[in-house]
Amino acid sequence: GESVGLHLPTLSVQEGDNSIINCAYSNSASDYFIWYKQESGKGPQFIIDIRSNMDKRQGQRVTVLLNKTVKHLSLQIAATQPGDSAVYFCAENNAGNMLTFGGGTRLMVKP
Amino acid sequence: NAGVTQTPKFQVLKTGQSMTLQCAQDMNHEYMSWYRQDPGMGLRLIHYSVGAGITDQGEVPNGYNVSRSTTEDFPLRLLSAAPSQTSVYFCASSYGPTGPQHFGDGTRLSIL
Repeated sequence: GESVGLHLPTLSVQEGDNSIINCAYSNSASDYFIWYKQESGKGPQFIIDIRSNMDKRQGQRVTVLLNKTVKHLSLQIAATQPGDSAVYFCAENNAGNMLTFGGGTRLMVKP
Repeated sequence: NAGVTQTPKFQVLKTGQSMTLQCAQDMNHEYMSWYRQDPGMGLRLIHYSVGAGITDQGEVPNGYNVSRSTTEDFPLRLLSAAPSQTSVYFCASSYGPTGPQHFGDGTRLSIL
C-alpha cells in the first residue's frame, strides 16, 4: 500500500545549527502534506503544511520543501534550539479523507 | 479556548472489558478523527468523521466503534478490550481533512 516514511530515525544537532528532517512519500496522488512536532507525553503539534502546487513554504524558523519529482519532503529548522528537541512526523493526504503519518524522526539538540 | 479535550488521560482495563474514550472540541470543527500510537511508531487512523451523523473507517478500525451525534463530541468505544489494543489514543479535529489537525494530549490505555 501507499506509505510515508522517513530516512533517519534520530538526528542529533548542535544548538544554533540548522536541522533538516527528511521524509519520502510513495503516493504520487498526495496533494497535501503536514509536519508535526510531538513532545514527550503530548499530542502532535502542527508546525507547517504545504500543498502540492507549491515547492516551498516558510514559517517562523521553519521551511518545508516539496520535491514532487522524487516524492520527497523536508523540514528545515533554522538556529535549532533545545526546545526543538522532539519527534517530528510528516503526514500526507491523498485527496481523500485520511491522513497517513510517517514513522517519525527524533531530533536531539546538544547544548 | 480548550481546543481538543480527551478523557481519561490514563486507563487500565482487563481483557474483555469495554470502555469509551471521550473526545470533545470547542472549535466548531467538522472533521474529527481517532488515531492510535504504538511505541516508537507514527499514528494510525482508526475512525474519522466528516460531520455530525457521518463516520467512516480508517486504517485500523477493527475492535473499535465510533459515533458522532454532535459536532463537538466524537467518542471511541472499545467493545471487548484485548492486549493488542494497549496504546496511546489521540483524538484530532480540523475544519476539513486537508487542513491542520489539532490534537488532544492523548489517553494512555493499558489492557492486561
